[in-house]
Amino acid sequence: QVQLQESGPGLVKPSQTLSLTCTVSGGSLNSGSYYWSWIRQPAGKGLEWIGRIYTSGSTNYNPSLKSRVTISIDTSKNEFSLKLSSVTAADTAVYYCASTYDSSGYHDFWGQGTLVTVSS
Amino acid sequence: QSVLTQPPSASGTPGQRVTISCSGRSSNIGRNTVNWYQQLPGTAPKLLIYSNNHRPSGVPDRFSGSKSGTSASLAISGLQSEDEADYYCAAWDDSLNGHVVFGGGTKLTVL
Repeated sequence: QVQLQESGPGLVKPSQTLSLTCTVSGGSLNSGSYYWSWIRQPAGKGLEWIGRIYTSGSTNYNPSLKSRVTISIDTSKNEFSLKLSSVTAADTAVYYCASTYDSSGYHDFWGQGTLVTVSS
Repeated sequence: QSVLTQPPSASGTPGQRVTISCSGRSSNIGRNTVNWYQQLPGTAPKLLIYSNNHRPSGVPDRFSGSKSGTSASLAISGLQSEDEADYYCAAWDDSLNGHVVFGGGTKLTVL
């Protein structure tokens, strides 16, 4: 069974760049059937899809975040990463990484989530 | 404002059957499959239904999904107290180079 674990700073200053890494175990990022995704959830609110990456490096992003988001992948370390630039308090949320089966597919395994707070 | 529309709340008594609706448009539900997630308080979301009506291993058959046109539904029969959670629908949207869209979530209360 695939396991995912988010890591990164829990506090980021406004206007700076949020950086998170998701380490995958029990499976390979080179699996041809899978995409690797980031999803976030502000406190008390719903889920917001941020974007995803395929093993080839091909990405899809949420149109509302596209100008600020970069997702990258390092198959040698079996991890993928999220960078969100120019953050504001509105970016404060629990950030989840997840495996995504197939091109229009479902998120079958999720990390436990990590809270990132944007504050000076 | 979420792209997929769900009722913010639903409720039922133990043993009852409840349904949660999810409304979208042709670019998402109309052309792609719908997935449902259950989020228990303080935990990460869990895949509940995939590809409209399939249950992952370990999900009780009390949970079922359906899709028609640009709408989908999640049904829970034999409601149990442990079903109290937030439920989200999601689908791929073909517009704007493609992206996933979620519903706003439905909080299910077991009375």
